Amino acid sequence: AQSVAQPEDQVNVAEGNPLTVKCTYSVSGNPYLFWYVQYPNRGLQFLLKYITGDNLVKGSYGFEAEFNKSQTSFHLKKPSALVSDSALYFCAVRALNTGGFKTIFGAGTRLFVKA
Amino acid sequence: SQTIHQWPATLVQPVGSPLSLECTVEGTSNPNLYWYRQAAGRGLQLLFYSVGIGQISSEVPQNLSASRPQDRQFILSSKKLLLSDSGFYLCAWSVLSGSNQPQHFGDGTRLSIL
Repeated sequence: AQSVAQPEDQVNVAEGNPLTVKCTYSVSGNPYLFWYVQYPNRGLQFLLKYITGDNLVKGSYGFEAEFNKSQTSFHLKKPSALVSDSALYFCAVRALNTGGFKTIFGAGTRLFVKA
Repeated sequence: SQTIHQWPATLVQPVGSPLSLECTVEGTSNPNLYWYRQAAGRGLQLLFYSVGIGQISSEVPQNLSASRPQDRQFILSSKKLLLSDSGFYLCAWSVLSGSNQPQHFGDGTRLSIL
């Protein structure tokens, strides 16, 4: 069965420091991987995706993510965190053999960036 | 550009009352449409999805139902709300044919049941 794990409920980082939000997945077949961000009382916003090709993908607001097939991971990163990056982050996966209509979301990781 | 609208933004309803939440998408045709519920600011639970007018798939059996009367309109309903129906309801759309495309979310309806 497909699954997505975000092992950290919360990540704390100081402004200006690099941040990493972890995600691992389990699918049969080649995955499509996504990161979303949610601010309070708002819907999820798409940040970036991995489909194929270069393992390092760049997205909105200076975020990037690294796909590692051997470790089945897709960690979200940013070289220098901003206080405004504080939000709830979701990793999601879709796999080719499950059709095109469902996405499995992780439980979310809350990021706190301190000034 | 495509936009998605949900209303109302907040709703307070008594137990046993009916519910109707509406979602509309503009700027695209034949989208996949989804209803999710998010409890306590955490994970998403897929409730319903639709690949076309009148085509609804239910993921979780409960007292909620969904309808898609028009291509870009998705409605979440209940005849009698339960306390457990409280939560943050999110509508989303995605391109029909592209399984590598992201979902796009509305800003949600926060439903409180008294």
